Amino acid sequence: GESVGLHLPTLSVQEGDNSIINCAYSNSASDYFIWYKQESGKGPQFIIDIRSNMDKRQGQRVTVLLNKTVKHLSLQIAATQPGDSAVYFCAETPGGFKTIFGAGTRLFVKA
Amino acid sequence: DAMVIQNPRYQVTQFGKPVTLSCSQTLNHNVMYWYQQKSSQAPKLLFHYYDKDFNNEADTPDNFQSRRPNTSFCFLDIRSPGLGDAAMYLCATSRDSPVQNIQYFGAGTRLSVL
Repeated sequence: GESVGLHLPTLSVQEGDNSIINCAYSNSASDYFIWYKQESGKGPQFIIDIRSNMDKRQGQRVTVLLNKTVKHLSLQIAATQPGDSAVYFCAETPGGFKTIFGAGTRLFVKA
Repeated sequence: DAMVIQNPRYQVTQFGKPVTLSCSQTLNHNVMYWYQQKSSQAPKLLFHYYDKDFNNEADTPDNFQSRRPNTSFCFLDIRSPGLGDAAMYLCATSRDSPVQNIQYFGAGTRLSVL
C-alpha cells in the first residue's frame, strides 16, 4: 500500500549540533511534501515544504532535501536547540487534498 | 491567537455513548479536515470538507460522521464509541490549493472511552 515512513523512530542530538531526520515515501505520484513538527500536547505545526520540481529548499535553520530517484526526503536542522525537541513528521500529498503522514521521528536535544 | 480551536481539549465518554467533538476556525479556509492520532503514531486522515463537499477516506469506519454547518465550524460525531476509538482527534484547515496544501492544526481533543 501507499506509505510514507521514517528510518529512525528516535534521534538524540547534543544542543548546538546539526540534526538530520530522514523519510522515505512510496507514492511516485506525490508532487508536494511537507515537514511538520508536533510538540507534546499540541497539533502538528508546519515547518517547511518542497515541491517535486525542486531538490532543496532552505528556511530559517531548516533545510529540506528531496531525492526523487530513491523517493527520499530529509530535514536538516542547524544548531539544534532544546526548543526543537518534538516529533517530526514528513507528509506527502498524492493528489487533491489528501495528506499521508509518515510514522514520525522523536527528536531529543541534550543540553 | 488560536486560529483553529478545538473543544473540548479532553473528552471522556462511555462505551457506546455518542459523542461530538467540535472545531472552529478564524482563517476562513475552504478546507477542513479531521484526523485520528493514536499514541506514538502519525495522524490518520478520516475525512475532509471542501466547502460543503464531504470527502470520506475509504477506510474510515461508518461509526465516524461529520457535519459542517458553515465555513467556520466542523463537527466530528462518533455514533457508538468503542475502546479502540480512544485517541487524539485533530482538526485542521487549509486554503483551497492542493498544490500547496499547508494545513493548520488545532491542539486536538483527547478522547477517552470507559
